[in-house]
Amino acid sequence: DAMVIQNPRYQVTQFGKPVTLSCSQTLNHNVMYWYQQKSSQAPKLLFHYYDKDFNNEADTPDNFQSRRPNTSFCFLDIRSPGLGDAAMYLCATSRPQAGADGDTQYFGPGTRLTVL
Amino acid sequence: GEDVEQSLFLSVREGDSSVINCTYTDSSSTYLYWYKQEPGAGLQLLTYIFSNMDMKQDQRLTVLLNKKDKHLSLRIADTQTGDSAIYFCAETSDSNYQLIWGAGTKLIIKP
Repeated sequence: DAMVIQNPRYQVTQFGKPVTLSCSQTLNHNVMYWYQQKSSQAPKLLFHYYDKDFNNEADTPDNFQSRRPNTSFCFLDIRSPGLGDAAMYLCATSRPQAGADGDTQYFGPGTRLTVL
Repeated sequence: GEDVEQSLFLSVREGDSSVINCTYTDSSSTYLYWYKQEPGAGLQLLTYIFSNMDMKQDQRLTVLLNKKDKHLSLRIADTQTGDSAIYFCAETSDSNYQLIWGAGTKLIIKP
């Protein structure tokens, strides 16, 4: 089945120790998103890639970076995690186009990050 | 700016129907979505409706859209314990394919 996969599902890191979360997709979608979600609040968009074009949200801290080496993979790098960065990180994909289902985002299971 | 609003909690008895409501402000909304999130899990797309429709039914789920009032609802018939989750309403517009999210409604099932 085509899907969005996130690894690891649970990640524990220490305060200030860099961490990388990964996302892969078999949907062949050209847009990939990273969201941060805290305490069952609505997801907050950090950034997205439209093909190779990177789009950063204005309020995303510089501590968060992303890489997309190819269509299938996207990485979220947190350079110096703080206690406030503990959250669920969700990856999603979409294929914006005219017609039905064009804007629909499909989510992975998420990675829960704990910062000690 | 654009906004999507939902009640934070809904409590229903098992076997009853649940109706989760959502209002939005963007009159250029093209698609409106319902996502389900179980504890500790990702977001599962339940259903979506295009803005030129007023109703969509899929098994136990019925989505109603009142475009004039900018009101969207999700009805779950015969609510089961497995329906316990947070339900997020979201919309996109012609000008921007990104999602605008509601705060989520936590559905609590009473035995």
